[in-house]
Amino acid sequence: KQEVTQIPAALSVPEGENLVLNCSFTDSAIYNLQWFRQDPGKGLTSLLLIQSSQREQTSGRLNASLDKSSGRSTLYIAASQPGDSATYLCAVFRTDKLIFGTGTRLQVFP
Amino acid sequence: NAGVTQTPKFRVLKTGQSMTLLCAQDMNHEYMYWYRQDPGMGLRLIHYSVGEGTTAKGEVPDGYNVSRLKKQNFLLGLESAAPSQTSVYFCASRESGRETQYFGPGTRLLVL
Repeated sequence: KQEVTQIPAALSVPEGENLVLNCSFTDSAIYNLQWFRQDPGKGLTSLLLIQSSQREQTSGRLNASLDKSSGRSTLYIAASQPGDSATYLCAVFRTDKLIFGTGTRLQVFP
Repeated sequence: NAGVTQTPKFRVLKTGQSMTLLCAQDMNHEYMYWYRQDPGMGLRLIHYSVGEGTTAKGEVPDGYNVSRLKKQNFLLGLESAAPSQTSVYFCASRESGRETQYFGPGTRLLVL
């Protein structure tokens, strides 16, 4: 059974820091891995999608990497801002379904 | 386009009552999903549909039923609500051949 774990569960940092959020999964037979952002009381917004054949994807200050062999993905946030405060969720996609991690709650303070 | 909408936004039920949550999408997506989100547990898939008239069980289907009579709507039913079904419910949809899912704003359900 696929299990997805995210570390740390919560993170509080001052503005301007570069951050690394971690995601690990137990079954490497995935089609892709996705990172989402969730603001309090809101739905999920897709940030990045990495296909299983890719090593990384970039969007603005966000960079996500994927290492299928070790079952790991990292989300790198450069020069963090208070507006980055949210919960970040990773999910692996296989056979029509997404399996989500438990999320990392990020707070960036001025 | 409204995207994915969910009705209602919030509901309080008593144990044993029934209700239906409605998810609607206007993007002509084939796939639709119902998830529940509980503190510390991420999102878990309840049921999903790969097209009009089809449904399939997800990770935590017990106590829920679904129907997809129209392509744009996906209904989640609770026949006899239990306190363990207190949660936030999210609906999502995606286009066939594309992996990005689009999420609704969620329905917060409290079962007393």
